[in-house]
Amino acid sequence: AQSVTQLDSHVSVSEGTPVLLRCNYSSSYSPSLFWYVQHPNKGLQLLLKYTSAATLVKGINGFEAEFKKSETSFHLTKPSAHMSDAAEYFCVVAQGGSEKLVFGKGTKLTVNP
Amino acid sequence: KAGVTQTPRYLIKTRGQQVTLSCSPISGHRSVSWYQQTPGQGLQFLFEYFSETQRNKGNFPGRFSGRQFSNSRSEMNVSTLELGDSALYLCASALGGARTDTQYFGPGTRLTVL
Repeated sequence: AQSVTQLDSHVSVSEGTPVLLRCNYSSSYSPSLFWYVQHPNKGLQLLLKYTSAATLVKGINGFEAEFKKSETSFHLTKPSAHMSDAAEYFCVVAQGGSEKLVFGKGTKLTVNP
Repeated sequence: KAGVTQTPRYLIKTRGQQVTLSCSPISGHRSVSWYQQTPGQGLQFLFEYFSETQRNKGNFPGRFSGRQFSNSRSEMNVSTLELGDSALYLCASALGGARTDTQYFGPGTRLTVL
């Protein structure tokens, strides 16, 4: 079965420095992968998704992720963190080509002034 | 365009009772998914409906059920509530499905079981 592992439960960065949130996936074939963000007291929002097109995927708010099949990774990056990026981020895989999404445990991002 | 709405936003029940949660998707969206979010288990998929048919199901006991109406509105029901059912229940809608289209989430229903 498809699954995702988010390697860090908490990440803390300073404003203006790069952000790296790590995610590894397991899948028996080419997966559909997503990153979602959940701000405090706000709903979940799709940041970006990979569905077997370009391996470098650009999302909203300056985030991007690179699909690396050889490393089974889908890490999320942003060149320069902003205070408004503080939130919980979820790496997600669609199971078996279906519409069933399997969420990782989440990474809480803290941005320090 | 109105977003995904969920009612009620907060609910308190006691063990053994049953509860029904409602979700109104974005107009035109035919796929509705339900998720349970808890601090211990994180976000877990419950089920997905498309055009009134359950298309996908997660690993939850039969006490959890759902349905979708012809206008795409969806309800989920939990019978014989247990303390462990306390959670945030999230509904999400998409045009054709969460994998192929952007999925939009509602604010959730916070269920507390006493």
